[in-house]
Amino acid sequence: TQLLEQSPQFLSIQEGENLTVYCNSSSVFSSLQWYRQEPGEGPVLLVTVVTGGEVKKLKRLTFQFGDARKDSSLHITAAQPGDTGLYLCAANQAGTALIFGKGTTLSVSS
Amino acid sequence: ETGVTQTPRHLVMGMTNKKSLKCEQHLGHNAMYWYKQSAKKPLELMFVYSLEERVENNSVPSRFSPECPNSSHLFLHLHTLQPEDSALYLCASSQATGGYYGYTFGSGTRLTVV
Repeated sequence: TQLLEQSPQFLSIQEGENLTVYCNSSSVFSSLQWYRQEPGEGPVLLVTVVTGGEVKKLKRLTFQFGDARKDSSLHITAAQPGDTGLYLCAANQAGTALIFGKGTTLSVSS
Repeated sequence: ETGVTQTPRHLVMGMTNKKSLKCEQHLGHNAMYWYKQSAKKPLELMFVYSLEERVENNSVPSRFSPECPNSSHLFLHLHTLQPEDSALYLCASSQATGGYYGYTFGSGTRLTVV
């Protein structure tokens, strides 16, 4: 059974702080995606990474795919209240549907 | 309309009722999915359709019955549900199966079984 373990489960920080959340597995994946979900809505895609060691940036968000394609991290610089939400990592192997982690709930207060 | 639209947004049903959830996408995607989201659990994949054919069925109880009449519409028919089936049911679509393509999710149907 493939599992994606996300940590921490909950994170509460002040505006302006930096943070990193992690997504780990013992399985090798073809690709990995990060989503953000707000209450009452479905997840929204942030990024897809497919190459081991790949780093992608989206404004203040930096995503990295592990060299062995088993893990990933999401780093947020100078967090803002608008970053509040549930961050989900999802991954798959070739031709299969995405599996998801339980998510990290981030709360940023001003 | 654009994106993925799910109706209804909220549904309360008794254990003996029959109801259906509807999902519609206007993105020209060829793959559609049903996921179940419960508290403290990862999103659980229920069904996958590619070009209107079911390609994955993850040991879902028969009280859940999917239907995909065309590539734009997906239904989840519900009957004799249990209280533990209460959850947020999410529909998603993508250009094709396989995770290179990002998924576009609907806002979900919040189902409560009483």
